[in-house]
Amino acid sequence: DVKVTQSSRYLVKRTGEKVFLECVQDMDHENMFWYRQDPGLGLRLIYFSYDVKMKEKGDIPEGYSVSREKKERFSLILESASTNQTSMYLCASSLDRVHEQFFGPGTRLTVL
Amino acid sequence: GNSVTQMEGPVTLSEEAFLTINCTYTATGYPSLFWYVQYPGEGLQLLLKATKADDKGSNKGFEATYRKETTSFHLEKGSVQVSDSAVYFCAFGSGNTGKLIFGQGTTLQVKP
Repeated sequence: DVKVTQSSRYLVKRTGEKVFLECVQDMDHENMFWYRQDPGLGLRLIYFSYDVKMKEKGDIPEGYSVSREKKERFSLILESASTNQTSMYLCASSLDRVHEQFFGPGTRLTVL
Repeated sequence: GNSVTQMEGPVTLSEEAFLTINCTYTATGYPSLFWYVQYPGEGLQLLLKATKADDKGSNKGFEATYRKETTSFHLEKGSVQVSDSAVYFCAFGSGNTGKLIFGQGTTLQVKP
């Protein structure tokens, strides 16, 4: 079975801090994705990556950056956290551009 | 543009009732279609999928049929259980990008 893990289930940070959210998949998937999930807004795509060192902007990239130095790891970076980035963050991976995505358990981030 | 429309929730049913959650999509071509489920405090899990017209996806008693004529992929279950209480997301694959387009999600509450 595909396993996607995220570094933290719950995280509390202060405004202005730099925040790293880590995601690791163990099935040699090509593609990886970062979403945020907010009540009433559903899932919104932040960034995605088709390959190592490649990244593409999603629908809401502002205030975020990503890093993919190794195939199995995709990091989401909040350069200077703000309260409006309080959310549930979900990582996903897929074998290629055709197949379904597999999700991690999510990180609930609170920015105070 | 590409979009998914799901029936609004919450949907509240008694145990053993019949479930239908409607989903229609707007897309170019014939995308793969998916239903995901999210249990409280967890990430999304793939529930079922269909990759071409008239395909029926099924899993854990849930079914959905890919209806090209009506661009629909309605989720059904003959007899729901309390453990089915969750949020259900309809989604489709966006061309050859690997991205998924999600509906807003439908919350299902099953009461004993």
